[in-house]
Amino acid sequence: GENVEQHPSTLSVQEGDSAVIKCTYSDSASNYFPWYKQELGKGPQLIIDIRSNVGEKKDQRIAVTLNKTAKHFSLHITETQPEDSAVYFCAAAGGTSYGKLTFGQGTILTVHP
Amino acid sequence: EPEVTQTPSHQVTQMGQEVILRCVPISNHLYFYWYRQILGQKVEFLVSFYNNEISEKSEIFDDQFSVERPDGSNFTLKIRSTKLEDSAMYFCASRGQSYNSPLHFGNGTRLTVT
Repeated sequence: GENVEQHPSTLSVQEGDSAVIKCTYSDSASNYFPWYKQELGKGPQLIIDIRSNVGEKKDQRIAVTLNKTAKHFSLHITETQPEDSAVYFCAAAGGTSYGKLTFGQGTILTVHP
Repeated sequence: EPEVTQTPSHQVTQMGQEVILRCVPISNHLYFYWYRQILGQKVEFLVSFYNNEISEKSEIFDDQFSVERPDGSNFTLKIRSTKLEDSAMYFCASRGQSYNSPLHFGNGTRLTVT
């Protein structure tokens, strides 16, 4: 089955800096790659997603890139703010099972004011 | 914005007891899911449910587990005889029918088996 690896496990940045979180996946049939943000006491919230027919997608300060050949995708957050502090999860899904996600281990992002 | 709601937020039970975790998916969604997250581990897929039947389940989802949509709004996960290792955060999720519909998660139920 699919396996998703995520790095780093923790990331500490200063407010205004950029943050990059990277994930690799194993199943070449995977074609959907969402990113979720989880704040304390809450469930994962979708922040951006990308499908395999697209190499990059951007939404304001957040962008995701996908390299299908290398089977890796990354989350980029620019101009970080303290409210960006949370746990971020990457995930992958394939075929028609867009709801059956395989998650990475999560990255604890801390943005220092 | 519509939300997936889960109750209770925290459930404590004794080993061997049955528990039912409840979820109200987003109202126009048609696909329903349960995931769990053991402390310090990855979020794991348990089961997907569509058209009143299980469409896919993981190896974790053994005979101890069952799901049900008892009415038009609720979606439940039952664990028949809880074990210590069932202690985890359980997330319900739902999505709409369209091809590119993303998955929306509830805030989870923390299950503690003592």
